[in-house]
Amino acid sequence: DAKTTQPPSMDCAEGRAANLPCNHSTISGNEYVYWYRQIHSQGPQYIIHGLKNNETNEMASLIITEDRKSSTLILPHATLRDTAVYYCIVRIQGAQKLVFGQGTRLTINP
Amino acid sequence: GAVVSQHPSWVICKSGTSVKIECRSLDFQATTMFWYRQFPKQSLMLMATSNEGSKATYEQGVEKDKFLINHASLTLSTLTVTSAHPEDSSFYICSASPGFGQPQHFGDGTRLSIL
Repeated sequence: DAKTTQPPSMDCAEGRAANLPCNHSTISGNEYVYWYRQIHSQGPQYIIHGLKNNETNEMASLIITEDRKSSTLILPHATLRDTAVYYCIVRIQGAQKLVFGQGTRLTINP
Repeated sequence: GAVVSQHPSWVICKSGTSVKIECRSLDFQATTMFWYRQFPKQSLMLMATSNEGSKATYEQGVEKDKFLINHASLTLSTLTVTSAHPEDSSFYICSASPGFGQPQHFGDGTRLSIL
């Protein structure tokens, strides 16, 4: 699986959009980008995933650059409950195993 | 949505005892489940892949005799920490996927404290 690089921490004001970047410059053509988050003392929660098109669901939007070397997870209206560690993971669809990096610790401030 | 349940949520026991953690897929069947371990302020580390009806596959550096995995049915995998010692104290998390290409879903974890 391709390696990902994320900033170790970010802050965002409550009610504003939180934009979390992820670099995956060695991604291969059949690898998807997955985002999970882990709220303190809980198991990771699936957020969204995509291959090359932008994706949106009830939780977030995923913007993948045209060359697929980076992506951005967008939480449109961050709340205090969005404070968590966010993990960007790249893997092929058929491989179930997930390899977690260090993620980004997002803090939403009131 | 897909739900994965773990039991117990937390356990405290004496050094030298064995502890069993259960992972259940509540609304789907899973031929494969995954076990992770997470130490404080660190990321999740994959320990092993649990395969229904066959032996588990362990990651490098994980002792198979120390961490016994049983996946006897399509909805249940168990992790037994044998002869646990304080260094085994950690947050243990399992995951499973409802099907090919579908995202992994995680249990809420089991916090194990060995005194």
